[in-house]
Amino acid sequence: KQEVTQIPAALSVPEGENLVLNCSFTDSAIYNLQWFRQDPGKGLTSLLLIQSSQREQTSGRLNASLDKSSGRSTLYIAASQPGDSATYLCAPRGGGSTLGRLYFGRGTQLTVWP
Amino acid sequence: DAGITQSPRHKVTETGTPVTLRCHQTENHRYMYWYRQDPGHGLRLIHYSYGVKDTDKGEVSDGYSVSRSKTEDFLLTLESATSSQTSVYFCAISVGQGESSYNSPLHFGNGTRLTVT
Repeated sequence: KQEVTQIPAALSVPEGENLVLNCSFTDSAIYNLQWFRQDPGKGLTSLLLIQSSQREQTSGRLNASLDKSSGRSTLYIAASQPGDSATYLCAPRGGGSTLGRLYFGRGTQLTVWP
Repeated sequence: DAGITQSPRHKVTETGTPVTLRCHQTENHRYMYWYRQDPGHGLRLIHYSYGVKDTDKGEVSDGYSVSRSKTEDFLLTLESATSSQTSVYFCAISVGQGESSYNSPLHFGNGTRLTVT
């Protein structure tokens, strides 16, 4: 079974800092990996999807990297803002007969203060 | 987002009663999923569907059943609710209509908060 670990579990930083959120997974046989954010009491919002053949994917101030062979992904957030405060979840997508099932980590709870 | 509506948004029910949660989508996406989210466990897959009347179990399917008689609706039923099924339930879809769309980005509904007393 795929195990997903996210480090750190919580992070509190002042506005403007560049951030690194880490995700590791045990089974490298993945199709892709998706990053989400979740605001309190809300559903998940898709941020980035990075294919297994890609090394990086960028959207605005967000950049996700993937090292499939070592089972790691990193989400970089540039110039953090208070509006970035949320829980960030990574989810590698399994291959084979799992029909695209996502496996979730427990997330990194980010607080950006003014 | 992606035209997903979950109903109800909140529900309180008593132990032993049946409960049905509904997920409705408007864009004919092929793959639909039910997850539950609990503190300390993260998101776990309950059941998923890969087409009308085509469903399969996830990792925490005991005590749950699903049905998909139309492309747009995916129903989750708790046959006899228990306190351990108190949770937030999320429906998700993989964007796209093709057979390989299970690898497309997943989009989530806003969730149903279920409390079993």
